[in-house]
Amino acid sequence: GQSLEQPSEVTAVEGAIVQINCTYQTSGFYGLSWYQQHDGGAPTFLSYNALDGLEETGRFSSFLSRSDSYGYLLLQELQMKDSASYFCAVRGFNKFYFGSGTKLNVKP
Amino acid sequence: GAGVSQTPSNKVTEKGKYVELRCDPISGHTALYWYRQSLGQGPEFLIYFQGTGAADDSGLPNDRFFAVRPEGSVSTLKIQRTERGDSAVYLCASSLTGLAGGGTDTQYFGPGTRLTVL
Repeated sequence: GQSLEQPSEVTAVEGAIVQINCTYQTSGFYGLSWYQQHDGGAPTFLSYNALDGLEETGRFSSFLSRSDSYGYLLLQELQMKDSASYFCAVRGFNKFYFGSGTKLNVKP
Repeated sequence: GAGVSQTPSNKVTEKGKYVELRCDPISGHTALYWYRQSLGQGPEFLIYFQGTGAADDSGLPNDRFFAVRPEGSVSTLKIQRTERGDSAVYLCASSLTGLAGGGTDTQYFGPGTRLTVL
């Protein structure tokens, strides 16, 4: 089967840096994606890592270690608008498996 | 351009009734996905279409659930004999090329249909 673990909730202050971790167990793995979802909104794509290493996109970076079945999303220079839920998702053969999400609370 | 649209935005039905949920993907996107999301959980995969065919329908929970995409564009998710446990937000996503060849491309999600079964 498939399982993904990520913290349920994280709190940080505006301007800070926060890291959201994701560990996974899967029988088939092609890559790890990250999505952001605001309350009542649709998930929006943030990043995808197929290979080990760090991918940077503006204030957001994502890291993958395939040997450790581990990845993380790094958010820098936090803004109030970053308050949302963040999901890691494993790309399997013909589908994606999503974690339960991490609710990020950004405080002033 | 227009994003993914889903209709209706909300659907309230009674236990045992039949419902249809519609998804209009981004024009030109060959891949379409259906997910179900319960409160406080991540999206749960239901089915993946590549063109008109279902490339993977292993996430459909039982034979009450069925989805079609007859012309490779609009898709309809059909639920027969609805049960209270079917209550959730049903999300549709589309992507340009899909998952063929081991690659991936960005999924664009619609706003979802909130289904409530009384």
